[in-house]
Amino acid sequence: DTAVSQTPKYLVTQMGNDKSIKCEQNLGHDTMYWYKQDSKKFLKIMFSYNNKELIINETVPNRFSPKSPDKAHLNLHINSLELGDSAVYFCASSQVGTGGYEQYFGPGTRLTVT
Amino acid sequence: GDSVTQMEGPVTLSEEAFLTINCTYTATGYPSLFWYVQYPGEGLQLLLKATKADDKGSNKGFEATYRKETTSFHLEKGSVQVSDSAVYFCALSPRGSTLGRLYFGRGTQLTVWP
Repeated sequence: DTAVSQTPKYLVTQMGNDKSIKCEQNLGHDTMYWYKQDSKKFLKIMFSYNNKELIINETVPNRFSPKSPDKAHLNLHINSLELGDSAVYFCASSQVGTGGYEQYFGPGTRLTVT
Repeated sequence: GDSVTQMEGPVTLSEEAFLTINCTYTATGYPSLFWYVQYPGEGLQLLLKATKADDKGSNKGFEATYRKETTSFHLEKGSVQVSDSAVYFCALSPRGSTLGRLYFGRGTQLTVWP
């Protein structure tokens, strides 16, 4: 009954590699997000898709590319990984409408680049 | 622009102590306000919310009142437990936003000792 799921939960890789993180939500929401959380717990929004259309694209290196095959899935592909990419990445979803916008978060993917 | 400022941690309390975590916001109009909680190793969970001035959100013994005159949404609990140890995030969603975007504070780490 997991509402927002992410895979993998842990990802350890070397600099220069390419990796992907997958996210799925079964809440029927129309909007999904990717966040990066650093070691000080600061949350930074990276991307958002509404019905498969990119609507938020923050200042993120071009090495990061989101893809939304349908409104229940949002994947994050990272090329040429760098040490500074080490962080926890969270996927979230919401139903954009009136009076709320609460977001539901996945459990996170801890990425370690060595 | 829209932003949230919350008190810096860490906050350390003994069990059964009173908790206050301050949160103030800057926004145009009347945003929706939220408190999220992140337990160790997990994603963020919605703790409570308020969508208009003077609303009080409450959940699990926590409360916060939307104060338009002081642009504040302080989190309180009368008697904390060890299980409340977590990071707490204040957030706002601008009224009328079509992006569903949340603006988060930097988080406050709470540790409760037995």
